[in-house]
Amino acid sequence: DAGITQSPRHKVTETGTPVTLRCHQTENHRYMYWYRQDPGHGLRLIHYSYGVKDTDKGEVSDGYSVSRSKTEDFLLTLESATSSQTSVYFCASTALAGESDTQYFGPGTRLTVL
Amino acid sequence: AQKVTQAQTEISVVEKEDVTLDCVYETRDTTYYLFWYKQPPSGELVFLIRRNSFDEQNEISGRYSWNFQKSTSSFNFTITASQVVDSAVYFCALSEGSGTGGFKTIFGAGTRLFVKA
Repeated sequence: DAGITQSPRHKVTETGTPVTLRCHQTENHRYMYWYRQDPGHGLRLIHYSYGVKDTDKGEVSDGYSVSRSKTEDFLLTLESATSSQTSVYFCASTALAGESDTQYFGPGTRLTVL
Repeated sequence: AQKVTQAQTEISVVEKEDVTLDCVYETRDTTYYLFWYKQPPSGELVFLIRRNSFDEQNEISGRYSWNFQKSTSSFNFTITASQVVDSAVYFCALSEGSGTGGFKTIFGAGTRLFVKA
């Protein structure tokens, strides 16, 4: 399995506070992704990155921003957390687009916004 | 637009029964990838299989088999002789090019499988 870690693994915060989740991979993968998982919705793509400083929006990007200053790190920021952002967040990475596009997932971060 | 439908929300079987999980997808691309993932109660996502759109061969891996049919846009997953350890949520996913060099992946809502002893 690819070495992907997420921090923190659990976080409880209050509405209106900024929150940053970190994804770190040791596989030198080019592509990285942030998903959120909610009951009845499966996983939904928030943002993804196709290289250092290259990012794009997914299907549920409102209220989230990302940054990727190094290959190994992909940060997800909630500028002002809302209760609707309570979810489990998964990070994923993949080495190459196309034939090798098998996504390896991190363990997830459970975020609760009160 | 891409879409993945897993119409079965929950399935309950008795151990040793065979079970098929359905997955229907929509895409306009001719090049795309289909995946199945398993999420056991512990919460991690486990990759099971990837299939590209040009390879319609069915695949068997132990008790698992996959049936890919482009004509019906389906990628179904069968577990033969199910076991209690197969109890999990199973996700089907579709990945297609985003035009920016990456591939966007869309997941189905998942099918929760209960295997009773």
